[in-house]
Amino acid sequence: EIVMTQSPATLSVSPGERATLSCRASQSVTRNLAWYQQKPGQAPSLLIYGASTRATGIPARFSGSGSGTEFTLTISSLQSGDFAVYYCQQYNHWPRYTFGQGTKLEIK
Amino acid sequence: EVQLLESGGGLVQPGGSLRLSCAASGFTFSNFAMSWVRQAPGKGLEWVSAISGSGDDTNYADSVKGRFTISRDNSKNTLFLQMNSLRAEDTALYYCVKVGGNSGYDYWGQGSLVTVSS
Repeated sequence: EIVMTQSPATLSVSPGERATLSCRASQSVTRNLAWYQQKPGQAPSLLIYGASTRATGIPARFSGSGSGTEFTLTISSLQSGDFAVYYCQQYNHWPRYTFGQGTKLEIK
Repeated sequence: EVQLLESGGGLVQPGGSLRLSCAASGFTFSNFAMSWVRQAPGKGLEWVSAISGSGDDTNYADSVKGRFTISRDNSKNTLFLQMNSLRAEDTALYYCVKVGGNSGYDYWGQGSLVTVSS
């Protein structure tokens, strides 16, 4: 099973600043990496797939990068609605699409 | 608009059974694999089970293998999860998710809460 490790567990950032979240895979997942956002009381929603492609309706301040085993989600100019938990997921090995443990992005 | 609507959750005693359903709309259901993902209270996301579009190929996490059964009725655009021999550690919010073509899980239901407790 591919293990996904996210860091940090919690990230405190001020509104208007940039947030950088990391995700590492235990083996290469090529670019089959997705990011999800989960707000309190809501289901997760797809933000980024293919490591860097924004899902429909996702604003340009969200960007993803990386390939192989190292990936990054960057949120520029944080807005109040961006404070949530973010999960990375590999989907390189059907059907066991494993998730990272999540990064909680909180207001500083 | 894609919609996934789960139902069937509730409180059940250890050793009991529940059947979750997920009514899908807004896409050609039979063309897409589907999965169940769960989230224990205050915890992260865990893949539970997956089924191909035709229903011929099914897969399970080790934690539920032999106890849970995934199925689908493509004539009714509905996904199911039969859960038997439930344990306290199965307590979670169960999400029905659509597997994208090459995009992970592109749509999620709102979740159905399963609580296993005496």
